[in-house]
Amino acid sequence: GESVGLHLPTLSVQEGDNSIINCAYSNSASDYFIWYKQESGKGPQFIIDIRSNMDKRQGQRVTVLLNKTVKHLSLQIAATQPGDSAVYFCAENLSGSARQLTFGSGTQLTVLP
Amino acid sequence: DAGVTQSPTHLIKTRGQHVTLRCSPISGHKSVSWYQQVLGQGPQFIFQYYEKEERGRGNFPDRFSARQFPNYSSELNVNALLLGDSALYLCASSTPTGNTEAFFGQGTRLTVV
Repeated sequence: GESVGLHLPTLSVQEGDNSIINCAYSNSASDYFIWYKQESGKGPQFIIDIRSNMDKRQGQRVTVLLNKTVKHLSLQIAATQPGDSAVYFCAENLSGSARQLTFGSGTQLTVLP
Repeated sequence: DAGVTQSPTHLIKTRGQHVTLRCSPISGHKSVSWYQQVLGQGPQFIFQYYEKEERGRGNFPDRFSARQFPNYSSELNVNALLLGDSALYLCASSTPTGNTEAFFGQGTRLTVV
């Protein structure tokens, strides 16, 4: 079946460096994408979203890029901090609503001192 | 304002038993969705309720059921528990229109022994 997946299960970066987390999606009909951060023992926390009519969106220290041609999504975190250590999930939705999301398996980001 | 609240936070049940999990959405949110997150995986969509009606259902057996009350709180029920039902159960709420971001609760950690 179609699903959202991630290229790498783990990523380690030095504090202060930039992080890039990648995600591949297979459903070309998906029109809304969200990145979530999940810390141990907590629920997913919204980071940033993007609609399929955009190819880039920026937030505070984060940027999401969407390449519809190759069905690829990435999350860039600038000046990575220890508090950024968590599991990051990309999620997609077909209807343009955040209410029925399909999640990938996640990438564990570890920030090294 | 209070976020999405779920109860209980942890629960241990025996195979074959029944369990009820509860969720209170953010004030003003009329849509509630339930997700199951098995350890090491991304959340999997179970149900979405809006205005007390089921609006979507994921690929889960009939042992799983849910309902939404007039105050928009929701219950997830699981009958005849299996060991494989052990997971973190997440509830997410969202506004009915406009902002489609979904806010997650901390989850209920269910262990079936």
